[in-house]
Amino acid sequence: AQSVTQLGSHVSVSEGALVLLRCNYSSSVPPYLFWYVQYPNQGLQLLLKYTTGATLVKGINGFEAEFKKSETSFHLTKPSAHMSDAAEYFCAVTINAGKSTFGDGTTLTVKP
Amino acid sequence: GAGVSQSPSNKVTEKGKDVELRCDPISGHTALYWYRQSLGQGLEFLIYFQGNSAPDKSGLPSDRFSAERTGGSVSTLTIQRTQQEDSAVYLCASSSLTNTEAFFGQGTRLTVV
Repeated sequence: AQSVTQLGSHVSVSEGALVLLRCNYSSSVPPYLFWYVQYPNQGLQLLLKYTTGATLVKGINGFEAEFKKSETSFHLTKPSAHMSDAAEYFCAVTINAGKSTFGDGTTLTVKP
Repeated sequence: GAGVSQSPSNKVTEKGKDVELRCDPISGHTALYWYRQSLGQGLEFLIYFQGNSAPDKSGLPSDRFSAERTGGSVSTLTIQRTQQEDSAVYLCASSSLTNTEAFFGQGTRLTVV
């Protein structure tokens, strides 16, 4: 079985500041890891994913995440927050072709 | 189709009535998921299909909830005798065997009055 924990249900940063959204996972086998973003009144869209290979993955809108096996983490970062980044972010883990398990989400607020 | 399609996009129903929510996954995707998202809440897993079978239906909150999938494609989530606490956005997603990324529909916003 797998599980995902997102630390911090709400994160607030100033425009231009570093964004760090935390995700830890539990999995008995090598996982596939994902970050999704959900803008208000919309469905979820993929930001980035880790399957195999390079542990630092880059996604859309300047986001990136690093898979750290030793820490069972897949934290999402962006060097400089923009107002348009305000949204809810979900971390997810999938094993092989099975069910995706999602975290509870982190709401990112960007202050001007 | 090009993406996951859900219908209706909005549904208002009276308490006690039955509702059916439909999901058309991306063609060829074998895995299909239903999630529920209440206002300000995270994603609550409901049920997962692989083909037409549901190896994991552990998230269905009560026996008023059921889902089926036919032809390895379209899925219907049925809620019987709706209650006000059923009000939420119901999201459907699908994925393929070779690419485990889940593609989401826009959701059905259900309001029980």
